[in-house]
Amino acid sequence: QQPVQSPQAVILREGEDAVINCSSSKALYSVHWYRQKHGEAPVFLMILLKGGEQKGHEKISASFNEKKQQSSLYLTASQLSYSGTYFCGTAATSGTYKYIFGTGTRLKVLA
Amino acid sequence: DVKVTQSSRYLVKRTGEKVFLECVQDMDHENMFWYRQDPGLGLRLIYFSYDVKMKEKGDIPEGYSVSREKKERFSLILESASTNQTSMYLCASSSTTDEQFFGPGTRLTVL
Repeated sequence: QQPVQSPQAVILREGEDAVINCSSSKALYSVHWYRQKHGEAPVFLMILLKGGEQKGHEKISASFNEKKQQSSLYLTASQLSYSGTYFCGTAATSGTYKYIFGTGTRLKVLA
Repeated sequence: DVKVTQSSRYLVKRTGEKVFLECVQDMDHENMFWYRQDPGLGLRLIYFSYDVKMKEKGDIPEGYSVSREKKERFSLILESASTNQTSMYLCASSSTTDEQFFGPGTRLTVL
């Protein structure tokens, strides 16, 4: 069962903040976040692991609430380059390569 | 620069044709994946492979098969293409359970 992302779409002005949520009906071990710009391949943003470890290489923050089985991605002071579709991918156990991706959140940042 | 390449960006086939989609990665990754991406449904895993000649079904394997004869190459085969297989197909590879590297995608239209 796919995790549910909300909102489905959001439009921002440059400099505004946004939060994208990812909720699962199953217990999670890890949550991954990707961004896909129009016409391009999805690109890894970060991974959040059960226990609080977070790995990533973008200046974007995220949280992972294991009890609520949800993760949130925080985009602060949005830039035009943040536009794209954001996907969360969830893994139920450690050591698995099989992620279940959410349906995506389309984000557009206007000048 | 790491790379995942896919044989075609756009492909048009007729119903009933056999279709081959090829994916090549140059990162010596053990794991390779095939997803399809449809509006409103996000990324759904078709098959993945964790080693040469090894494969495992994803969430929507029906109507597809795969082949991995060499580590760097992972092929998706549609034995008899149908119109409901019109979609964007994305290949990815990884060496760990963290980051997946995606190719640019093949937009397949089945007439």
